Amino acid sequence: QKEVEQDPGPLSVPEGAIVSLNCTYSNSAFQYFMWYRQYSRKGPELLMYTYSSGNKEDGRFTAQVDKSSKYISLFIRDSQPSDSATYLCAMSGNSGGSNYKLTFGKGTLLTVNP
Amino acid sequence: DADVTQTPRNRITKTGKRIMLECSQTKGHDRMYWYRQDPGLGLRLIYYSFDVKDINKGEISDGYSVSRQAQAKFSLSLESAIPNQTALYFCATSDSGLVAETQYFGPGTRLLVL
Repeated sequence: QKEVEQDPGPLSVPEGAIVSLNCTYSNSAFQYFMWYRQYSRKGPELLMYTYSSGNKEDGRFTAQVDKSSKYISLFIRDSQPSDSATYLCAMSGNSGGSNYKLTFGKGTLLTVNP
Repeated sequence: DADVTQTPRNRITKTGKRIMLECSQTKGHDRMYWYRQDPGLGLRLIYYSFDVKDINKGEISDGYSVSRQAQAKFSLSLESAIPNQTALYFCATSDSGLVAETQYFGPGTRLLVL
């Protein structure tokens, strides 16, 4: 089983839709959970991070972590064409000072159609 | 100006040539990383450096070497390039003083080895 699984998509939605992006993981040591957005031919850009379980909201974006199920989600409300990008989940643990090591999902390609 | 810059942005080279990719950052972060990104394989860590005198191999270091010339500069060399090193290369930085060591990525270098 891979440490982090992410459905590659592609996912295509109409403008204004609510988008749900998800990752599952197997390593129970992961404590920090991040979402990156990567536009075509650009570097990954940090969107949000959360610590342990719970929700975090930032504008139209909400990140959720369910550690009991080893499942994380990113919701995008009122999606816009400018949200079209690849979304990468990433996570790290804090045992033995290993916060630096990120384990990435392979990314989900999202297209929001006008 | 961008916080993490990479040069060159695009490079075409031939098999057997030695090439160097450069990364500079103005974020004041102590840790720097080199990744490669391939379709279907996601981001994979090549080398990372905790400070100028601390350099470590990542999961795919064979065929690569690095140099940390200063806290702000980290270069990646391909000693003798081969076609399967064709990929998108990213430099990233993080701050070990933060609890959540989120990483910040440069814009990438697109490398083609013929």
